Amino acid sequence: EAQVTQNPRYLITVTGKKLTVTCSQNMNHEYMSWYRQDPGLGLRQIYYSMNVEVTDKGDVPEGYKVSRKEKRNFPLILESPSPNQTSLYFCASKGAGGTHEQYFGPGTRLTVT
Amino acid sequence: GNSVTQMEGPVTLSEEAFLTINCTYTATGYPSLFWYVQYPGEGLQLLLKATKADDKGSNKGFEATYRKETTSFHLEKGSVQVSDSAVYFCALSETSGSRLTFGEGTQLTVNP
Repeated sequence: EAQVTQNPRYLITVTGKKLTVTCSQNMNHEYMSWYRQDPGLGLRQIYYSMNVEVTDKGDVPEGYKVSRKEKRNFPLILESPSPNQTSLYFCASKGAGGTHEQYFGPGTRLTVT
Repeated sequence: GNSVTQMEGPVTLSEEAFLTINCTYTATGYPSLFWYVQYPGEGLQLLLKATKADDKGSNKGFEATYRKETTSFHLEKGSVQVSDSAVYFCALSETSGSRLTFGEGTQLTVNP
């Protein structure tokens, strides 16, 4: 089954404790992206990657890091989480070509206390 | 920059009522337009899309027409069901396809 998976689905942590949210897709997609969803703001892009070893900032990259060492994986790293990073996070992937449809993972709800 | 504006929610309707959720956009070039739906506790799913002016996207009884002259992509359904209760997001994609710009989302609740 074609899908985007994220882990963990739920995470409660404390300020300053480094964490990683994993994202994996099995569709051989070139493009992957991370979004955060906050009430009244919709989804905002954090980082994206056009292919292996190619990453770029989205609209709200501060406080986040990403890497793309393999085509299927695109982890999101919070080196020193803060309470304003409490949010619902979505990973998405898209194949090359003109369709521009993105496939989303199930989401990771992060709470930073 | 690009932006998407959706009608404010939440929207509450009775079953079999007519639904319209307004969406307008600002973009340079010729973006593709999308409606995504998010059911409770789930990720976003593509509902429908349109890639050029006057295209009509449709799926599961929902429709939206890409209107370049009014920069709009309003979502409509003739008869909603309880199972349509969800959050609906309008979005646009730049020509390069590297980024989706989302509206704020509209919560729809359909009562039996």
